[in-house]
Amino acid sequence: NAGVTQTPKFQVLKTGQSMTLQCAQDMNHEYMSWYRQDPGMGLRLIHYSVGAGITDQGEVPNGYNVSRSTTEDFPLRLLSAAPSQTSVYFCASKGGHGAYEQYFGPGTRLTVT
Amino acid sequence: AQKVTQAQTEISVVEKEDVTLDCVYETRDTTYYLFWYKQPPSGELVFLIRRNSFDEQNEISGRYSWNFQKSTSSFNFTITASQVVDSAVYFCALSDPGTAGNKLTFGGGTRVLVKP
Repeated sequence: NAGVTQTPKFQVLKTGQSMTLQCAQDMNHEYMSWYRQDPGMGLRLIHYSVGAGITDQGEVPNGYNVSRSTTEDFPLRLLSAAPSQTSVYFCASKGGHGAYEQYFGPGTRLTVT
Repeated sequence: AQKVTQAQTEISVVEKEDVTLDCVYETRDTTYYLFWYKQPPSGELVFLIRRNSFDEQNEISGRYSWNFQKSTSSFNFTITASQVVDSAVYFCALSDPGTAGNKLTFGGGTRVLVKP
């Protein structure tokens, strides 16, 4: 199993550009989520999904869109990038009932200039 | 609202010293889950331990041990006989009530530097 994979690993955007951060998992996990990590603030939840076709907002959803058309994939879209979105983005997945720990991807470091 | 506080931003020790990381949390829920994650310099997040709010039994696993005290809302983590490979940022996290690990609220992290 590859676990949770994220692409790209690094990305530089100009203000106003759009892009999609890709996340995939091959563990047949129901639950997937996106976090952003900023210095001194730990990780904050952006959006999450409890299954294909179901998504919901986390703590800091503004400026981001998600969709979950398959169990495996959970892309994060930035519609119009802003410098405040410069961060490291982590995707995570978790199994269903009886599973507790989240498995994190390697992260995407995004810089918006 | 839930909140996790890790008051120690950075701890520096010499190899073989013990290191204790503090974690204090706030929640109004009676059932919740607490976690510790490790982020080594390579950047990935590694799950270390989970504890249920209804299980206050403390645990030792190798060089790691945990002290969960519901009365003081604390979930401290100790590394015994630290090694250079323990150098990392450690995050304490609290899960959304009733979701068994979904929707984590993280503390700000404690950077541990173990010097040889």
